[in-house]
Amino acid sequence: DTGVSQDPRHKITKRGQNVTFRCDPISEHNRLYWYRQTLGQGPEFLTYFQNEAQLEKSRLLSDRFSAERPKGSFSTLEIQRTEQGDSAMYLCASSLLGQGNYEQYFGPGTRLTVT
Amino acid sequence: EDQVTQSPEALRLQEGESSSLNCSYTVSGLRGLFWYRQDPGKGPEFLFTLYSAGEEKEKERLKATLTKKESFLHITAPKPEDSATYLCAVLNSGTYKYIFGTGTRLKVLA
Repeated sequence: DTGVSQDPRHKITKRGQNVTFRCDPISEHNRLYWYRQTLGQGPEFLTYFQNEAQLEKSRLLSDRFSAERPKGSFSTLEIQRTEQGDSAMYLCASSLLGQGNYEQYFGPGTRLTVT
Repeated sequence: EDQVTQSPEALRLQEGESSSLNCSYTVSGLRGLFWYRQDPGKGPEFLFTLYSAGEEKEKERLKATLTKKESFLHITAPKPEDSATYLCAVLNSGTYKYIFGTGTRLKVLA
């Protein structure tokens, strides 16, 4: 299967701890997006990359959130000093910009629970 | 500000009872409108992209249409396996950000 993968699928952490999530996009895709989704809501944009460049970060994100995409391949999302309000599903999606279609494909998500 | 509003929030149908889901949008520049299906605890699954008013796409029992202000997802003779949350999103042509609605939770009863 060559779809988007995310690791871990579930993470339980204590308040104040740091967590890091990984996303492996579809191999030929040059754009990678991170979203957060809470119950009953649609995915909320966090940040996105074109190749290795981070092009935009949501102003709703605090400085505790950081994302990287070294070498334009996989990406990591780190949350420092987690808070209970960070509990959510974190989704990664990838797309191929430049061929006239903008379809975005999602991974299975990482569910974070902060206790 | 770009915005996507979906209605109804929830919909219960009997098997075979056709209906439509609505997605109203405002966006400074529309690059595309997207429909996704999401099952509980899973990531959204891509269904359709619509690029211009008047465009229609079909897949099995689903048909998506687009106007300049809204999109409809028509479900014909639904089955219980069509039960899911259906999400609509728009892509802003300037920012390349996808803006999602809150979804319509569809339940199809046997």
